[in-house]
Amino acid sequence: QSALTQPRSVSGSPGQSVTISCTGTSSDVGGYNYVSWYQQHPGKAPKLMIYDVSKRPSGVPDRFSGSKSGNTASLTISGLQAEDEADYYCCSYAGSYMVFGGGAKLTVL
Amino acid sequence: QVQLQESGPGLVKPSETLSLICTVSGYSISSGYYWGWIRQPPGKGLEWIGNIYHSGITYYNASLKSRVTISVDTSKNQFSLKLSSVTAADTAVYYCARRGSSWTEYYFDSWGQGTLVTVSS
Repeated sequence: QSALTQPRSVSGSPGQSVTISCTGTSSDVGGYNYVSWYQQHPGKAPKLMIYDVSKRPSGVPDRFSGSKSGNTASLTISGLQAEDEADYYCCSYAGSYMVFGGGAKLTVL
Repeated sequence: QVQLQESGPGLVKPSETLSLICTVSGYSISSGYYWGWIRQPPGKGLEWIGNIYHSGITYYNASLKSRVTISVDTSKNQFSLKLSSVTAADTAVYYCARRGSSWTEYYFDSWGQGTLVTVSS
């Protein structure tokens, strides 16, 4: 049960778009459409942003979108805002268990 | 609106058992949903510990399975985590969370605020 691979950091300027990748294997990301994404601000609990690869919970801005190709899932944030600066974690079902990515720190320049 | 709150000792001695309780309000555990524990060592990423269904069916992280027990007490609307033989590597913020209501819902939509547990003598 190895952690999913995410870039340690990504950055973008306000108004730009950024994409955070999440790479797994055919046993997790590639094998199921059960990838979710969480936003975590310092000292706070994670917040669900995307589930089932590309679905948004009620209240999450449509600037956040998710996709998947093969063993890699992606979270795209368009129209970056200062409040988007946070850590982002992907998570996948892997057949009776769940696995998180190592997390990516998004910096809004 | 469901709310979750972790409680338990903030300091545990090495080799002892870490015990935490998650109290759920705004929703009856016996009505359904899966419930989970996730932890986060200081400055590090999230690690899934395990899930439990309201009926008591459990799923554990293989790397922790020999030391972990998750149980549910529907009469108190709580579920709990026990982690035995702890070491400093188990120092982390421990979160309880609600997973989906069915076997096809693998995401955590509500989280507790987290509680820091330090393992030290």
